[in-house]
Amino acid sequence: NAGVTQTPKFRILKIGQSMTLQCTQDMNHNYMYWYRQDPGMGLKLIYYSVGAGITDKGEVPNGYNVSRSTTEDFPLRLELAAPSQTSVYFCASSYLGGGAQETQYFGPGTRLLVL
Amino acid sequence: KQEVTQIPAALSVPEGENLVLNCSFTDSAIYNLQWFRQDPGKGLTSLLLIQSSQREQTSGRLNASLDKSSGRSTLYIAASQPGDSATYLCAVRPFIQGAQKLVFGQGTRLTINP
Repeated sequence: NAGVTQTPKFRILKIGQSMTLQCTQDMNHNYMYWYRQDPGMGLKLIYYSVGAGITDKGEVPNGYNVSRSTTEDFPLRLELAAPSQTSVYFCASSYLGGGAQETQYFGPGTRLLVL
Repeated sequence: KQEVTQIPAALSVPEGENLVLNCSFTDSAIYNLQWFRQDPGKGLTSLLLIQSSQREQTSGRLNASLDKSSGRSTLYIAASQPGDSATYLCAVRPFIQGAQKLVFGQGTRLTINP
């Protein structure tokens, strides 16, 4: 299994541009998440999904959109990029089953710089 | 609102020492608590998950404890090695039905000196 994969690894955007961060998991997990991590800080939840077709906002959703058309894919869309969106973005997935099965598995991250 | 704090922000110790990392949270209504490891430029790797009904979990040289009533967790690393150098984050899952949202601390950056 590849686990959770993210593309691209790094991207520079100009203010006002848009882009989509891709995330794919091959573990058949029903839950998927997008987090952002600013320097020296913990992770903050942007959006999450409990299954195909179902998404909900996290703590910091403004400026982002998501969709979940399949179990495997959970893309994050940035519209009108702003310098405040400079961060490292992590995608994660987990299984709803209780106990240790709830462990979240993380991708390697996408580093985004908005200038 | 649940808040998670990790102190200190950074810790440097010589190889071979036993050490303790601390995590505190403001609301005891949690479903579980997890400890993660993050290497520079990499994603997070789960180390231990403690359910709210448990007091501790062990994996190899790692032992995590949970005192829900006082809002504290500790990660104990025995016989530290240079390969343990990383940032360690704790995260709690608040007791909210139907969601697996995690609230993260800001992490402790650990350096083990050979």
